[in-house]
Amino acid sequence: GAGVSQSPSNKVTEKGKDVELRCDPISGHTALYWYRQSLGQGLEFLIYFQGNSAPDKSGLPSDRFSAERTGGSVSTLTIQRTQQEDSAVYLCASSLEPGGLYGNTIYFGEGSWLTVV
Amino acid sequence: QQQVKQSPQSLIVQKGGISIINCAYENTAFDYFPWYQQFPGKGPALLIAIRPDVSEKKEGRFTISFNKSAKQFSLHIMDSQPGDSATYFCAASNQGGKLIFGQGTELSVKP
Repeated sequence: GAGVSQSPSNKVTEKGKDVELRCDPISGHTALYWYRQSLGQGLEFLIYFQGNSAPDKSGLPSDRFSAERTGGSVSTLTIQRTQQEDSAVYLCASSLEPGGLYGNTIYFGEGSWLTVV
Repeated sequence: QQQVKQSPQSLIVQKGGISIINCAYENTAFDYFPWYQQFPGKGPALLIAIRPDVSEKKEGRFTISFNKSAKQFSLHIMDSQPGDSATYFCAASNQGGKLIFGQGTELSVKP
């Protein structure tokens, strides 16, 4: 597709279950970001992958959160033992080379809406 | 030092008026300042961006004003239209790193 694709678009899960959220970045984009947006809140940085460099995991809120990026393309964000406070929209974004550098635009997907009940 | 503070939280403007949203930052290493527009149920989309070597950038009805010494930048929407009603986020980054976002401004343009 032409844009950043995320799946599932909506997920309802029970407290304590694990969830996986998937992101397909724009083809050729080497930088990939995950953000979290709680209802009516700003965008909270979670993790950033850039090429073969070690990812910037500084935004992950706890060790229940992890992410990987396979083959420099698709990324999966995993939340283990989900809690109600994990309910939010999880947004993935990608850019050609580091976003902002040389004016590269960071493009966002439409997000995965996670509800923990 | 990594924070970006945005105001106001919400804004109501009459059609044809000027919408102004302000942001302030602390980290002087930031070198890229974009504004994103987000409609309900959609992901944010880049609206306009500026680098600290210029004081103003204009694209159509949208203008960024940048004050490096005050560490502030603002978005001006001229001739605001109901279709501009959305949430606007300012952001900043350093050397192509992660974007740090402001808390967002919910803009409502009344017909």
